[in-house]
This record gives sequence, structure tokens and C-alpha cells, in this order.
Amino acid sequence: DIQMTQSPSSLSASVGDRVTITCRASQSISIFLSWFQQKPGQPPKLLIYAASALQSGVPSRFNSGGSGTDFTLTISSLQPEDFATYYCQQSYTSPFTFGPGTKVDIK
Amino acid sequence: QIQLQESGPGLIKPSETLSLTCGVGGGSISSSNWWSWVRQTPGKGLEWIGQVYHSGSTDYNPSLKSRVTISVDKSKNQFSLKLTSVTAADTAIYYCAKKESYNYAGLDLWGQGTLVTVSS
Repeated sequence: DIQMTQSPSSLSASVGDRVTITCRASQSISIFLSWFQQKPGQPPKLLIYAASALQSGVPSRFNSGGSGTDFTLTISSLQPEDFATYYCQQSYTSPFTFGPGTKVDIK
Repeated sequence: QIQLQESGPGLIKPSETLSLTCGVGGGSISSSNWWSWVRQTPGKGLEWIGQVYHSGSTDYNPSLKSRVTISVDKSKNQFSLKLTSVTAADTAIYYCAKKESYNYAGLDLWGQGTLVTVSS
């Protein structure tokens, strides 16, 4: 199985901050990478697919990039509704594994 | 606008079979989507269980493959998950989700999830 890691596991930030989360795959996954946002009591929500494509309806303050094994998700100016846990997932090869998550909370 | 809704028992006993259904509303299960199951536990995080296409083609997580069956019921516009011989380790929130069938697509629609507890 492809192992997905994320860093940091958690971070504290303020509204307006620029936040960057890193996701790393144990082998190359091309751009078969999605990012999800999950708030307590809700299912994950797709933010990004194909490593850098913004899902319809997702604000443009979410940016992402990378290919191969290293990927980043950046929130350019953190908003109150962005405090949540963020997960990456590879869909290069089955089983489609998720990262352990990065929790973004209020400083 | 497609919606997904999980249904099934919230409590089952060890060694029994977990059976969940995901109803597809506002769209056809015969559309170009992979229909998936994902579960979430505090300890293991998000775990992809498997997926099915309307043709019946399936793909399962090898860690669960011997116990999992995912199938489509076109007449009811729904798909199902069966997990046999459950233990406490199968206690989780179970989500159904869909992914369009083109390359690089992500799981773009999820059900609200259903908590399944395995306990005697």
C-alpha cells in the first residue's frame, strides 16, 4: 500500500494567516492526489483533485500543488470557517489511502 | 443534484455481518461514477473500503477483501456494503461516497455517515 503522511499533524493559526500543509506519498503518485476538509460531525468535503484543481464552489484562497511524492495545500488568508481537519488521499493505486490529517485550530 | 444517504443498523454483535445501504437520490446509479465506501475511526483515521461501478466491477481494500462485498442494486438505485465476521475494530462511522470515473477524480460527494458500533 502507498503510505501517506502529512505535516504538521496540527497547527494553531489566526484569521488572516497564510497556512501551508504538506502531504507526502511513499512512492510516486503523479498528480492522483485529493485534499479534503472535515469539520466535526460532518463528512469530508472535497477541496482539490488532480493535485491542483479546485473543486467547484471552493474558495480561491485554497491553493495546492505538487506531483510525484510531495504536495502542498495552502490557505492564503485563513477565514473563521476554515478551522477544520484537512486530509490528503491518493487515487493512483488501490487501496486509495488517506493521510492522517492536519488539524487547524484557532490560536 | 445527487444526494447520498446511508442506512442500516447502528449496533451489531461481534461475528455478525454488517450490512449498509447507500441510497442515491437525484441521479442514476448507472451514471459514470464509482460508488465507494469509506470508514472513519479515531484510531485509524479515514480508511477506504472499496468501490463498485454500475457494471458490477469492484475494487476492494486488500486489508478487508476477504470480508467485504460491495454491490449495486439498479432497481432500487442504491449500492450496498456487507462486512462479515465483524469485531470491535470495525466500529466506525461508515460513509458512502462517489467519484467520477475519469482519471484524477476525487470523492466529490459524501453521505452524512452512519455510526456502526460492534458490541455484545
